[in-house]
Amino acid sequence: GAVVSQHPSRVICKSGTSVKIECRSLDFQATTMFWYRQFPKKSLMLMATSNEGSKATYEQGVEKDKFLINHASLTLSTLTVTSAHPEDSSFYICSARDLAGGAKTQYFGPGTRLLVL
Amino acid sequence: AQSVTQPDIHITVSEGASLELRCNYSYGATPYLFWYVQSPGQGLQLLLKYFSGDTLVQGIKGFEAEFKRSQSSFNLRKPSVHWSDAAEYFCAVGGGSSNTGKLIFGQGTTLQVKP
Repeated sequence: GAVVSQHPSRVICKSGTSVKIECRSLDFQATTMFWYRQFPKKSLMLMATSNEGSKATYEQGVEKDKFLINHASLTLSTLTVTSAHPEDSSFYICSARDLAGGAKTQYFGPGTRLLVL
Repeated sequence: AQSVTQPDIHITVSEGASLELRCNYSYGATPYLFWYVQSPGQGLQLLLKYFSGDTLVQGIKGFEAEFKRSQSSFNLRKPSVHWSDAAEYFCAVGGGSSNTGKLIFGQGTTLQVKP
């Protein structure tokens, strides 16, 4: 099956620093990847759609200068949380659409737990 | 408005008993429907999906779901639950003519399995 990885799995950083999270499709190509945020006991909130070779599309209310997304290749998208603050602490999950499968199905990464002190 | 509703926030069943998790959706176009499962601290694993054709779809781990257009439902079922099925279950809808790939998720149902 299609596998998506994320790195790191968890990260602790100081307030004001930036953190980069990588999302990779390991055995398929993905022109589109998605970034979600999940709060405890809550559903997933779509933050942005990451398109290979073009600018990301952000959902309403998501600060694009705060959450920088780069999708430089068909297998890698990165999310950088800039000047992180404690309220940015959350579980971040990416997903990727499998081109070969008609791009109808999203496969999810294992998530990254971010804690900002 | 497009939405997904999972009416049951929390369900407890005994091991070996049957299970049905409800999912209702509101979507303007032909929906693509998905069920995902999430274990604590983990990402989402795809259980099954429906795009078209046979309205009863089989998934992994012995799960199945039935698409009922007249009821706008896509309920997930399993005839005999195992303790390892305890997790969070999410129903999601996407697709349509534009097929942006965006998914709309339900609120999730927490499944607890009693020994």
